Amino acid sequence: AQSVSQHNHHVILSEAASLELGCNYSYGGTVNLFWYVQYPGQHLQLLLKYFSGDPLVKGIKGFEAEFIKSKFSFNLRKPSVQWSDTAEYFCAVNAYSNDYKLSFGAGTTVTVRA
Amino acid sequence: GAGVSQSPSNKVTEKGKDVELRCDPISGHTALYWYRQSLGQGLEFLIYFQGNSAPDKSGLPSDRFSAERTGGSVSTLTIQRTQQEDSAVYLCASQGRGTDTQYFGPGTRLTVL
Repeated sequence: AQSVSQHNHHVILSEAASLELGCNYSYGGTVNLFWYVQYPGQHLQLLLKYFSGDPLVKGIKGFEAEFIKSKFSFNLRKPSVQWSDTAEYFCAVNAYSNDYKLSFGAGTTVTVRA
Repeated sequence: GAGVSQSPSNKVTEKGKDVELRCDPISGHTALYWYRQSLGQGLEFLIYFQGNSAPDKSGLPSDRFSAERTGGSVSTLTIQRTQQEDSAVYLCASQGRGTDTQYFGPGTRLTVL
């Protein structure tokens, strides 16, 4: 079975600081990778995804993530956070050979202080 | 049309009662998923419907959980004889055929007293 690990449970930053959230997965086959974000009081929404091609993918709101196959990692980054980035971030993996059901990490709560 | 909707948004019930949670997917989406998010944990897959195929029930935690999808659209998740450990946020997601992104609803927060 797949599993997804997010290294940080809660991250607190000041505005303009850089953000990096770690995500590792355990699955030996081809995977599709996602980061979802849940802003306070809102639905889960897709931030970015990787299926194939350039391992550095760019998403909405200035976020990017890098897929490193040898490390089974898909870390999320943003060079300069804003107060509005306060949210919970979830890494998710789908095994390419299966349907699209997702295995999620436990989530990382990011608090950005103004 | 509009996004995925779920009802009720909150449900408080007593231990041992049955509950039904409803999901209205985005119109035309053929795939529908149910997930559960327990306190401090990530989302856990429960069940998956794709068109007219038999559902994938591999994530259902016990036989007290069941789900159906009528007419390929609305889905109902039923939990019988609820237990306190069933307390969680239940999320529904839908996905269009040939696409790779799931769209999530707002969830139903279930509290079992």
